Amino acid sequence: KNEVEQSPQNLTAQEGEFITINCSYSVGISALHWLQQHPGGGIVSLFMLSSGKKKHGRLIATINIQEKHSSLHITASHPRDSAVYICAVREGGSEKLVFGKGTKLTVNP
Amino acid sequence: DTGVSQDPRHKITKRGQNVTFRCDPISEHNRLYWYRQTLGQGPEFLTYFQNEAQLEKSRLLSDRFSAERPKGSFSTLEIQRTEQGDSAMYLCASIAGRLNTGELFFGEGSRLTVL
Repeated sequence: KNEVEQSPQNLTAQEGEFITINCSYSVGISALHWLQQHPGGGIVSLFMLSSGKKKHGRLIATINIQEKHSSLHITASHPRDSAVYICAVREGGSEKLVFGKGTKLTVNP
Repeated sequence: DTGVSQDPRHKITKRGQNVTFRCDPISEHNRLYWYRQTLGQGPEFLTYFQNEAQLEKSRLLSDRFSAERPKGSFSTLEIQRTEQGDSAMYLCASIAGRLNTGELFFGEGSRLTVL
């Protein structure tokens, strides 16, 4: 069983829709990262969270440490948001990340 | 461009050959990570360096794999006697602080195909 579970695995939306991607983890963590991976491999860091909520443009990330759950929201989705979104957690004081398998998002015009 | 760069971007090799990948992190970043990603999976941790010291290695890293960061700047990942199961994307990332304080920057990856 993967320590980091993401849902859904695949998500198709129409342009303009509100998107939510979920991440649940089973271990104690000190930080959670949301990452975006475009076709071809490049990964971009979106957020690093240890508590609460962060917002950047149309992206919002929240984390509930007690429930071991985080969500990534995209408001007013656009076809350029199409990518794989990956959740990764830093376990305790470890300096390695444990990654989820990713959520593939397709936004149609 | 001052991002993380990896070379080569693509490598096709025959089983049994040795391959080496290079990663140039962002210059002021003291921590450098190597990950491996196979199709449809998230990246898996291989190893990381703080400056020139290799501080942790995954159990995934068999004795055919070796990584170095000789002067605390660029890093190399060598795979000896490659096997078809080594086919994957090898990702390098660097960070200025720790994983709970800073932003992680990834390279574009080096895709390995072992025939």
